[in-house]
Amino acid sequence: RKEVEQDPGPFNVPEGATVAFNCTYSNSASQSFFWYRQDCRKEPKLLMSVYSSGNEDGRFTAQLNRASQYISLLIRDSKLSDSATYLCVVRSNFGNEKLTFGTGTRLTIIP
Amino acid sequence: DGGITQSPKYLFRKEGQNVTLSCEQNLNHDAMYWYRQDPGQGLRLIYYSQIVNDFQKGDIAEGYSVSREKKESFPLTVTSAQKNPTAFYLCASSIHRGVSYEQYFGPGTRLTVT
Repeated sequence: RKEVEQDPGPFNVPEGATVAFNCTYSNSASQSFFWYRQDCRKEPKLLMSVYSSGNEDGRFTAQLNRASQYISLLIRDSKLSDSATYLCVVRSNFGNEKLTFGTGTRLTIIP
Repeated sequence: DGGITQSPKYLFRKEGQNVTLSCEQNLNHDAMYWYRQDPGQGLRLIYYSQIVNDFQKGDIAEGYSVSREKKESFPLTVTSAQKNPTAFYLCASSIHRGVSYEQYFGPGTRLTVT
């Protein structure tokens, strides 16, 4: 089983809709979780960090379910500019400086 | 402007040649990282350094070497021993304050070896 698993998509969603995708992780000792967005042929950019049960930033909400070992990302009122690949990232413990990356979920917002 | 710079953006080399990719940061971050990204795969860690003059192998270190002589700089050498060097190489640095941890990436270098 991969350490971090994501549905690769693609998710094709009409503008203005709400979209959610999940990510599962295998290491129950994982402490910190992140969502990055990556545009085509660019570097990943940090979107949100999740240290407790969840985090909200404008139209974006990340939720953590430790019992089931998954993190979700919800995007409300989606914009064309939200089209990107979303990477789920896990850090095992606070003393560990290494991150484990999922392969990403590709999202396309359709006008 | 604070940030991470990588140069060059595109690099072309012939098989059998060593090549060094540059990474500089002025964020005063202690830790720095090198990843490679291949189509359809997640980022894979090559090397990382948590402090000057110290570095550790990541998951795919074979065929690569690094140095960390200054806090700001973490160059990566792709040697001729690396079997599949063509990839997108990303440098990152991180800051860790209590429970908070954030890792940021440079713009990347696309290396093509023929």
